[in-house]
Formats: sequence, structure tokens, C-alpha cells
Amino acid sequence: GDSVTQMEGPVTLSEEAFLTINCTYTATGYPSLFWYVQYPGEGLQLLLKATKADDKGSNKGFEATYRKETTSFHLEKGSVQVSDSAVYFCALSDGGYGNNRLAFGKGNQVVVIP
Amino acid sequence: DSGVTQTPKHLITATGQRVTLRCSPRSGDLSVYWYQQSLDQGLQFLIHYYNGEERAKGNILERFSAQQFPDLHSELNLSSLELGDSALYFCASSEGLAGAGIGELFFGEGSRLTVL
Repeated sequence: GDSVTQMEGPVTLSEEAFLTINCTYTATGYPSLFWYVQYPGEGLQLLLKATKADDKGSNKGFEATYRKETTSFHLEKGSVQVSDSAVYFCALSDGGYGNNRLAFGKGNQVVVIP
Repeated sequence: DSGVTQTPKHLITATGQRVTLRCSPRSGDLSVYWYQQSLDQGLQFLIHYYNGEERAKGNILERFSAQQFPDLHSELNLSSLELGDSALYFCASSEGLAGAGIGELFFGEGSRLTVL
């Protein structure tokens, strides 16, 4: 079935550093792609999304581009802040009417050190 | 605050027992989704209800069941509990089915279940 793979392990970096979290997907159709963020003690919330190839999703300084040729949707931020410390999940939806369920990657813990 | 309310926030119980987790979706949302989050499996989709009807099933065990009531709140029932059922259970809601709001699910803070 459709699935998402995220890079292994937590990410620790200093404030103002550049952040990249890799995400690749496997899907039979043309999925929509998402990044969700989970702050400590909270539920997940949508960070950004892209619904077709070459679309770029962006929000709060984060960006991700839907690359069909490499089946990737890597998350980037140019200068992270301590407040960006959270768990980041890549997800996909196959988008058929009646199906809004998401398949999530395992998530990456990001820790930003002052 | 997502507008999705889950109760209880924490629950500790013993193997073999039965528990019920409750979810109130955002006002006006007709779709409710249940997810299980564990360290080894990550976030696993369990089941989706739309306006009282089951729409999709994921990796939900036969010992688990769910329903959505006329007032749109949902309950997830977990029975014959095993140690491996210990996890964080999330409820999420969305306006309807797929379409313009695709992928935009609003998550509650979760119910943490510990089975001893």
C-alpha cells in the first residue's frame, strides 16, 4: 500500500542553523503530500501541504516541494528557532473522494539548542 | 487549541480489561478518524467515520471497535487489553470527506493508555 519513509533518528541542531528532513513516498496513484508538526504535549497540526507535482508548500518559514521524479517531499527551513523543537511527520493521502485518511511516516524529533 | 476534545487524557488499566476512549470533533466536522501512536509502529490509521457511518478501516484489531453517534462524537472501545496495546490514541476530525480540505485533519491531544 501507499507509504511514507522518513530519515531515521532525531535531529539536533543549533539556533539559526539550516534544517532538512528527508521524506520519500511510495504510492500507486498521485497522492497529496503533507507535513504535520507535533509540539510537546499536543496533537498533530498541519504545517504545509502540496497536492500535485512541482507544487511548493510553505508556512512559518518551512518549505517542501513535491518532486514526482524522485518521489520526495523534503522539509526545509533556513534558520531554525528554539520554538521549532517538535516532532515532524511526513504524510500522504491518495485523495480519492471519500478518503481523507493519511498515511504517516514515523516522525523525526527535532531539537534546537540555543 | 484544535477544537477536538479527547477524554480521558491518561488511562492505566490491567491486561484483559476493556476501556472506552471518547472524542468530540470540531463543531461542524462530520468526519472522525482514530489513530494509534506507538514508539515502534509510529502513527497507524485505525478507522474513519463520516456522519455516523464507517467509511474506512485500517490496522484495527478485532478486539477494537468504534462508533460515531448522532451528535457526531465518537468512541473507540478496546477490549481484552494486552501489554502491546499501550499507546497514545489520537482522534482527528475534518469537515467532510476529501476534496478542498484534503489532508487537513484536526487532531486532539490524545488519550494515553497504559496497560499493566
